[in-house]
Amino acid sequence: QVTLKESGPVLVKPTETLTLTCTISGFSLSKARVGVSWIRQPPGKALEWLAHIFSSDEKSYRTSLKSRLTISEDTSKRQVVLTMTNMDPVDTATYYCARIVGRDQFDSWGQGTLVTVSS
Amino acid sequence: DIQMTQSPSSLSASVGDRVTITCRASQNIGTYLNWYQQKPGKAPKLLIYFASSLQSGVPSWFSGSGSGTDFTLTISSLQPEDFATYYCQQGYTTPYTFGQGTKVEFK
Repeated sequence: QVTLKESGPVLVKPTETLTLTCTISGFSLSKARVGVSWIRQPPGKALEWLAHIFSSDEKSYRTSLKSRLTISEDTSKRQVVLTMTNMDPVDTATYYCARIVGRDQFDSWGQGTLVTVSS
Repeated sequence: DIQMTQSPSSLSASVGDRVTITCRASQNIGTYLNWYQQKPGKAPKLLIYFASSLQSGVPSWFSGSGSGTDFTLTISSLQPEDFATYYCQQGYTTPYTFGQGTKVEFK
């Protein structure tokens, strides 16, 4: 059974760095064209793709946030980590990790974690 | 970045209605188009991938069509559990982008 679970702080202060962890089970990033993406959703708004990583160490980032995002993989812990620097209240959102497969569709999602940015 | 535009933004429908949602890409994306359903407080769920392939476990009254820049999600007979928000997403190239969503509400 494929599962993903997000973890991280529920509250961060402006200018701080956010670190989110996605723990995966039931699949491996070592498989061809299987990766993990981070996607967020501000309250009441649409989904925004942030970043992805594949086992080949292929990484990609949202254009407008490229300078603030870093995605990495800890294979031994079966975790994918996203860091976002210089957090702002507009970054308040539910952050999801999702498995990406095949024709670049997100076929399995974590439950999401709400991160609020406030002083 | 490729822009994805959905229409309508919301619609009201009754159980049994045929519902059509459209998604337009700002450039040719072939058939690299996926559809998701999201219910309040829940993660999105993949319905259709590669424009017209039904994800395993998704009811057959959902279907997708289109290629190039214009795509359609059709619910042939709306069921009570289908009231939700629907998003399209292009998988043609990064950065991946989503439409703004279409909320299907009860009439």
